[in-house]
Amino acid sequence: DVVMTQSPLSLPVTLGQPASISCRSSQSLVHSDGNTYLNWFHQRPGQSPRRLIYKVSYRDSGVPERFSGSGSGTDFTLKISRVEAEDVGVYYCMQGTQWPLTFGGGTKVEIK
Amino acid sequence: EVQLVESGGGLVKPGGSLRLSCAASGFTFDLYSMIWVRQAPGKGLEWVSSISSSSSHIFYADSVKGRFTIFRDNAKNSLYLQMNGLRVEDTAVYYCGREVRTPGYWGQGTLVTVSS
Repeated sequence: DVVMTQSPLSLPVTLGQPASISCRSSQSLVHSDGNTYLNWFHQRPGQSPRRLIYKVSYRDSGVPERFSGSGSGTDFTLKISRVEAEDVGVYYCMQGTQWPLTFGGGTKVEIK
Repeated sequence: EVQLVESGGGLVKPGGSLRLSCAASGFTFDLYSMIWVRQAPGKGLEWVSSISSSSSHIFYADSVKGRFTIFRDNAKNSLYLQMNGLRVEDTAVYYCGREVRTPGYWGQGTLVTVSS
């Protein structure tokens, strides 16, 4: 199975400052079709996950431009250019390249 | 507007069964693969099962293989998860999602509690 390792587990951030979350996979996430199926989700307490980024760097409709995804192969990053209060919650990376599909353990973002 | 609405959760004893349903609307259901993901209380997300648009490809997590069955009725725009032999560790909120490799839409979830 592909193990997805996120860091840090907890990320205290100051409003208006940047934040970065790392996601590393134990195997390459490049699919035989040429795509890299690495997704990022945001989940607030009591809510369903919301996809922010798919295929490494494609931002979903309605997702603020302050969110960006990057990376390749086994090393991926989610960046928030300037954290806003609504960004608190848990962020998960997920790989859709290999079976079984697997998620990272989550990074909890909170305001300092 | 894409909507996914799960139902069927509840309290069940170990060894019991439940069938979860996911009613889809706002998109052409039979064009999309579907996914079930669960989240145990206070824990992270765990993929459970996936099914292709025509039901020709079905996959399960090892933790549920042989106990859970995913199926769909494209005529009713509905996805299902038949859960047999439930265990305490199956306690979780179960979410259905649209698409397998890049699930972009999720339901609100339905809580399954397995306890004696």
